[in-house]
Amino acid sequence: GQQLNQSPQSMFIQEGEDVSMNCTSSSIFNTWLWYKQDPGEGPVLLIALYKAGELTSNGRLTAQFGITRKDSFLNISASIPSDVGIYFCAGGGGSRLTFGEGTQLTVNP
Amino acid sequence: SAVISQKPSRDICQRGTSLTIQCQVDSQVTMMFWYRQQPGQSLTLIATANQGSEATYESGFVIDKFPISRPNLTFSTLTVSNMSPEDSSIYLCSALTGLSYNEQFFGPGTRLTVL
Repeated sequence: GQQLNQSPQSMFIQEGEDVSMNCTSSSIFNTWLWYKQDPGEGPVLLIALYKAGELTSNGRLTAQFGITRKDSFLNISASIPSDVGIYFCAGGGGSRLTFGEGTQLTVNP
Repeated sequence: SAVISQKPSRDICQRGTSLTIQCQVDSQVTMMFWYRQQPGQSLTLIATANQGSEATYESGFVIDKFPISRPNLTFSTLTVSNMSPEDSSIYLCSALTGLSYNEQFFGPGTRLTVL
């Protein structure tokens, strides 16, 4: 089946630093989405991207849908302690989402 | 948006027993799904819960092991049958309120530990 390679697997940063993570796939997706999961909770949608090349922001978060439709990145600027969590990319195609392996983000105050 | 609740939130079960997880959505939804998330891993789709008919299972998941019901538009159950320690995982219910992926919401999950 389809697989998404998400990197890095984990990140340890200082408060105020910028963060970048990305996902790549061997398959084309029609939609790219980025989620955040806090402990004991389900994933919550951060950004959805629907068009190749699209660049979308949500506050301090910016994500782009790669021009080849096989990759996407998420940037977080000026990180704060509450950014801690696991970030997942997901590719949408047909009737289902395929999730990346997640990036565990730790922000040190 | 949709608010999704799951019961139980966590459980510890003995090998060979079965556990039924309930999922309730606060509004009518178009589709409901069940995912498994093993510790430190990604989400894997188990099946799509279809109202009034058999669920549609993904490769590697079968009805005998994971029977699913969806009697109406807002409620679904997932049973993990004849459990083994390998079934220890978080099970997440998800619902689609419209036709777009940005209208898919997740429940808080049920953390299952099998001894």
